[in-house]
Amino acid sequence: AQSVTQLGSHVSVSEGALVLLRCNYSSSVPPYLFWYVQYPNQGLQLLLKYTSAATLVKGINGFEAEFKKSETSFHLTKPSAHMSDAAEYFCAVSVPNTGNQFYFGTGTSLTVIP
Amino acid sequence: DGGITQSPKYLFRKEGQNVTLSCEQNLNHDAMYWYRQDPGQGLRLIYYSQIVNDFQKGDIAEGYSVSREKKESFPLTVTSAQKNPTAFYLCASTGDRGVAYGYTFGSGTRLTVV
Repeated sequence: AQSVTQLGSHVSVSEGALVLLRCNYSSSVPPYLFWYVQYPNQGLQLLLKYTSAATLVKGINGFEAEFKKSETSFHLTKPSAHMSDAAEYFCAVSVPNTGNQFYFGTGTSLTVIP
Repeated sequence: DGGITQSPKYLFRKEGQNVTLSCEQNLNHDAMYWYRQDPGQGLRLIYYSQIVNDFQKGDIAEGYSVSREKKESFPLTVTSAQKNPTAFYLCASTGDRGVAYGYTFGSGTRLTVV
């Protein structure tokens, strides 16, 4: 079975500081990996995805994530936090040929301190 | 623009009442999903449908029902058997290569029991 673990349900950073949101997954085969962002009372928006191409993936709003197979990780980073980055972030995994089902982490709430 | 429309945005239910949440997509996606979101618990799958006239239970289907009579529509009924229905409900869809492209989400419906 697939699972996703997001370390830290709440992360606070100062405006302009590095953002690092952690995601580890378990899967017996190479998965597809995703990061989504959710603003209050809205749906989830795709930030970026890894689908077995380059291991460093760039997404929208200056975010990027690196797939590290040896560490089973897919951490999300942004060099300089902006106030508009404050939101809930979800990591998700799906496995090819197992149906169109995704497995989500429990989310990390990012607070940006001015 | 193509997307998923959920309505209403806010819904209030009295004890013992059934309510139906609407989800409509114009993306020509085959698969559609309903998730429930509670604070600190991430997204939990209620029901999903891969094709018209077919659907499967997710992890927390008890107290809910769905139908898939049209490709574009996947309504969710919260029945009186659901004892704790207050939550944020998200509808999502994906195309035939969904695991590689991710989900598209609606903007959600917040259901409150009064």
